[in-house]
Amino acid sequence: SQQGEEDPQALSIQEGENATMNCSYKTSINNLQWYRQNSGRGLVHLILIRSNEREKHSGRLRVTLDTSKKSSSLLITASRAADTASYFCATEDSNYQLIWGAGTKLIIKP
Amino acid sequence: ETGVTQSPTHLIKTRGQQVTLRCSSQSGHNTVSWYQQALGQGPQFIFQYYREEENGRGNFPPRFSGLQFPNYSSELNVNALELDDSALYLCASSPGQEDEKLFFGSGTQLSVL
Repeated sequence: SQQGEEDPQALSIQEGENATMNCSYKTSINNLQWYRQNSGRGLVHLILIRSNEREKHSGRLRVTLDTSKKSSSLLITASRAADTASYFCATEDSNYQLIWGAGTKLIIKP
Repeated sequence: ETGVTQSPTHLIKTRGQQVTLRCSSQSGHNTVSWYQQALGQGPQFIFQYYREEENGRGNFPPRFSGLQFPNYSSELNVNALELDDSALYLCASSPGQEDEKLFFGSGTQLSVL
C-alpha cells in the first residue's frame, strides 16, 4: 500500500513560474524525501527533511514539513524546461523502509 | 549517473516463466533494495538486503526472491510470472542499512505476455 499521496496528480505551468507540489502521509515518520523521475526511468534523490525539521532549502528547491498535519510541500522556483518530470515523496517509517506516493507529473511549457 | 547499473534494460517473458534481474551497487554501498513500479504509480518496496542478508520485505509473495553477493551486487528472481508482474523494476543502493538517501539504477522494464 502507498502511504504518501501527492497533490496535484499533474501540473502544467509556464517556464519561469513556480511549481508547488504537496504530499500527505498517514503514520509517524523518521524523515520524508523527495525524488524526481524522468520518463519512467531511475529516481534521483532531491532533498530529505527529518521529522524534527520544518523547512529545508537546496538551490531552487524548498521543502516544508508539517508533522501535525502529516503533510509536506515541495516548491520549485523559477521553473525550467528541464524540470519536466514526475516528482515523488517517500516517507521512511520506523523500520527504515521507504513508502512512496503515486507522484505528481510536472510539465514545464516553454 | 548514480553508479548503480541494472541489466537487462528491457525484457519480454510469457506467463509462467521465470526471470532474473541483476543489479550492481554503487561502489562502497552494502545495502540494496528492490522496488516494483507499475505504470503511473509510485514504487512499491519488494525487499532489502544488507551484507547478503534479507532484512526487510514488502507485501510480495514468496515467488519474488533475491540474493546479494559478497561484492554487494544483487539479483531479483521472479517465478511463475503473472501478467500483473509487468512493471519497471528498480534497484537502489545505499552506504548502509540506515542511510536514508537511495541511489537508483535506471531500471528493468519487464513485460509479461
